[in-house]
Amino acid sequence: KAGVTQTPRYLIKTRGQQVTLSCSPISGHRSVSWYQQTPGQGLQFLFEYFSETQRNKGNFPGRFSGRQFSNSRSEMNVSTLELGDSALYLCASSLAPGGTTEAFFGQGTRLTVV
Amino acid sequence: TQLLKQSPQFLSIQEGENLTVYCNSSSVFSSLQWYRQEPGEGPVLLVTVVTGGEVKKLKRLTFQFGDARKDSSLHITAAQTGDTGLYLCAGANDYKLSFGAGTTVTVRA
Repeated sequence: KAGVTQTPRYLIKTRGQQVTLSCSPISGHRSVSWYQQTPGQGLQFLFEYFSETQRNKGNFPGRFSGRQFSNSRSEMNVSTLELGDSALYLCASSLAPGGTTEAFFGQGTRLTVV
Repeated sequence: TQLLKQSPQFLSIQEGENLTVYCNSSSVFSSLQWYRQEPGEGPVLLVTVVTGGEVKKLKRLTFQFGDARKDSSLHITAAQTGDTGLYLCAGANDYKLSFGAGTTVTVRA
């Protein structure tokens, strides 16, 4: 079966701009989680959606937001980009929320803010 | 602040040697997962341990979950160059996964 698909793979944006990243989970998976990965901080949890509802949220500013559609596809938006937002953004899909079942990760979107 | 602390941060060994990666926390987890991530890819799940004291073996990899469900270790026997990668542990509680910063393992031929 098809894996988790994240688009785009690479993005270069300017400070102050906004960006939207997309994640298509594995068919049948209703939970989508988003993570930010940087060399210094590792994987930091952003938020998780299950059946179109945000179930949990990490400690990120309100500039980071997300949503999930009825087909379980999810988008993440970052507004007013800062240099420190440069990172690999990963999404993971799973059957159930909360890390209780195996999480399958996409290849990520590499965001560079200049 | 990382909820899970992994050590060492970097590990470079010769092919055929053994290695151990540690994952420690002051928190109790309902389960603990180990992932391996290769450059340009997302993490791939290796194993999930659930019961305190549990030991799981996956070919040359041995995973152990501490009795108190706060720590875990990953041991690789006779490492191969294909074991090179970033190893991540992740603990599940409060309905989310918390990741360690990772251990970068390099196996030299």
